[in-house]
Amino acid sequence: DGGITQSPKYLFRKEGQNVTLSCEQNLNHDAMYWYRQDPGQGLRLIYYSQIVNDFQKGDIAEGYSVSREKKESFPLTVTSAQKNPTAFYLCASRRTANEKLFFGSGTQLSVL
Amino acid sequence: RKEVEQDPGPFNVPEGATVAFNCTYSNSASQSFFWYRQDCRKEPKLLMSVYSSGNEDGRFTAQLNRASQYISLLIRDSKLSDSATYLCVVSRPGGTSYGKLTFGQGTILTVHP
Repeated sequence: DGGITQSPKYLFRKEGQNVTLSCEQNLNHDAMYWYRQDPGQGLRLIYYSQIVNDFQKGDIAEGYSVSREKKESFPLTVTSAQKNPTAFYLCASRRTANEKLFFGSGTQLSVL
Repeated sequence: RKEVEQDPGPFNVPEGATVAFNCTYSNSASQSFFWYRQDCRKEPKLLMSVYSSGNEDGRFTAQLNRASQYISLLIRDSKLSDSATYLCVVSRPGGTSYGKLTFGQGTILTVHP
């Protein structure tokens, strides 16, 4: 079955630590996205990528970094510069413009 | 003004009720519109796309009003299983060929027996 896999489901970060959230898709989609969701809020765009080796900042990119070395993979690193990282992180992809987004099941990141 | 705004609710309705949500958007160049459903701590799932002429899928009806820049979702004969957060999503031309998707903050619906 095709889909998007995010791991881990739950992640804990210590002060000053960088952590990486995994996102893999086998849908052959070119565009991939990372969103952050805080309680009672909608999704805010962190980074997106339209093609391998290319990515663009979204609305809240500060404190985050990404890479897109393979079409299937779009990992997100939450760096120590992100002072308020506790949130629900969602990875998504889509085939073409104006088509629906497919989402992974999300990663809940908390600070120890 | 936010780019996409929804009434956060919560809406508490009895089973069998009809409930409607609105979502307004600020950019008149917006092209595509969607309603997603999200259960607590789960990923959003597409409920329906919204077409210019309006569209229906079972108990759900979506409408678009370009002149007033809003979309709506009507749920008839509410079921307990309809309890969720409903997200409005608007796509407009952006700096990329994929455009820019903007999410509303979501409307919480609780259907009670």
